[in-house]
Amino acid sequence: DIQMTQSPSTLSASVGDRVTITCRASQSIRTWLAWYQQKPGKAPKLLIYKASNLESGVPSRFSGSGSGTEFTLTIRSLQPDDFATYYCQQYNSYSFGGGTKVEI
Amino acid sequence: QVQLVQSGTEVKKPGASVKVSCKASGYTFTVYYLHWVRQAPGQGLEWMGHINPNSGDTKYAQTFQGRVTLTRDTSISTAYMELNSLKSDDTAVYFCARGGPLPGFGYWGQGALVTVSS
Repeated sequence: DIQMTQSPSTLSASVGDRVTITCRASQSIRTWLAWYQQKPGKAPKLLIYKASNLESGVPSRFSGSGSGTEFTLTIRSLQPDDFATYYCQQYNSYSFGGGTKVEI
Repeated sequence: QVQLVQSGTEVKKPGASVKVSCKASGYTFTVYYLHWVRQAPGQGLEWMGHINPNSGDTKYAQTFQGRVTLTRDTSISTAYMELNSLKSDDTAVYFCARGGPLPGFGYWGQGALVTVSS
């Protein structure tokens, strides 16, 4: 099974900061990677698919990059609505990373 | 618009089974895979398996193999997740999510809380 490792597990940031979250796969997944945002008590929301493609309706301050085993999610200028937990997911066998909580 | 509406909260005793439903609307049910993902309290997301609503073919995560069964009823556009031999650490919110046409789960149900307690 492909293991996904996210870092950091928690990130403290301020409004306006540039934030980067890393996701590593235990083997190459090419660009079969998605990123999700989840807020407490809600279902996850798809942000990025195929490593770097922005889902329709998602603000352009979110971007994804990477291929193979290393991937990043970047939030260009953190907004109050962005404080949440973020998960990566590989699309070969669908496992998720452990999550990164972005807090104030 | 695409909607996935799940059944409600369940409370079960250890050793029992639970069956959660996921009713789809706003698209052709048989076109896209339906996945099931669970989230224990305060924990991350765990993929459980998926079903091809057209053929009924299923794939399960190793962790749940032999204990979970995914089915569907195309006449009412509804998918089901049944989990057997429940243990206290099966206490979680269970989500259904739609795959395709692009990679990624673009639509999610609201989640169904299953509590396992004696």
